[in-house]
Amino acid sequence: AQSVTQLGSHVSVSEGALVLLRCNYSSSVPPYLFWYVQYPNQGLQLLLKYTSAATLVKGINGFEAEFKKSETSFHLTKPSAHMSDAAEYFCAVSSMKTSYDKVIFGPGTSLSVIP
Amino acid sequence: EAGVAQSPRYKIIEKRQSVAFWCNPISGHATLYWYQQILGQGPKLLIQFQNNGVVDDSQLPKDRFSAERLKGVDSTLKIQPAKLEDSAVYLCASNHFEASGSYEQYFGPGTRLTVT
Repeated sequence: AQSVTQLGSHVSVSEGALVLLRCNYSSSVPPYLFWYVQYPNQGLQLLLKYTSAATLVKGINGFEAEFKKSETSFHLTKPSAHMSDAAEYFCAVSSMKTSYDKVIFGPGTSLSVIP
Repeated sequence: EAGVAQSPRYKIIEKRQSVAFWCNPISGHATLYWYQQILGQGPKLLIQFQNNGVVDDSQLPKDRFSAERLKGVDSTLKIQPAKLEDSAVYLCASNHFEASGSYEQYFGPGTRLTVT
């Protein structure tokens, strides 16, 4: 079975500060990992994905994440927070051998950016 | 290209009433998903369609929830009768893995259901 843990249900950072959102996964097969962002009253939007190629993945809006197999982690970072980054962030895992495979979402981390 | 459309955006009903949600996926997307997102939690898959066939409905409470995808395009999700614990955002998503090899799911804006 696959699962995702996101440490910290709420994270606050100052504008211009480093953003670090933590994600740890559990998977019995090589995982495919995703970060999605959800703005208020909107659906989820893909930020980036790891699909067994490069371990450092760059996404939209200046975000990146690094896959660390030894730590079973896929933490999301951004060097400098912007007010527009305030949103809910979800880490997700799947085996993605076929499109039939489920995507399992973590509980989410709410990011606040303080001016 | 147009995104995933959902309606209504908001719905308030009393417990034991019925409600239906509609989803129109991105054109050409064979796979369609319905998720339930309870406040403060991540989305939970309720049902997955491949064209007009059900691939996974293991977490769908079948005594009260039903879903269909006629002609492999639009889909409706119904709850009858609703319970207080059904209050959540219902998200629809679609994917075109077979055509593009992309694992990305495209989400609609969701329907926020409040059961009183």
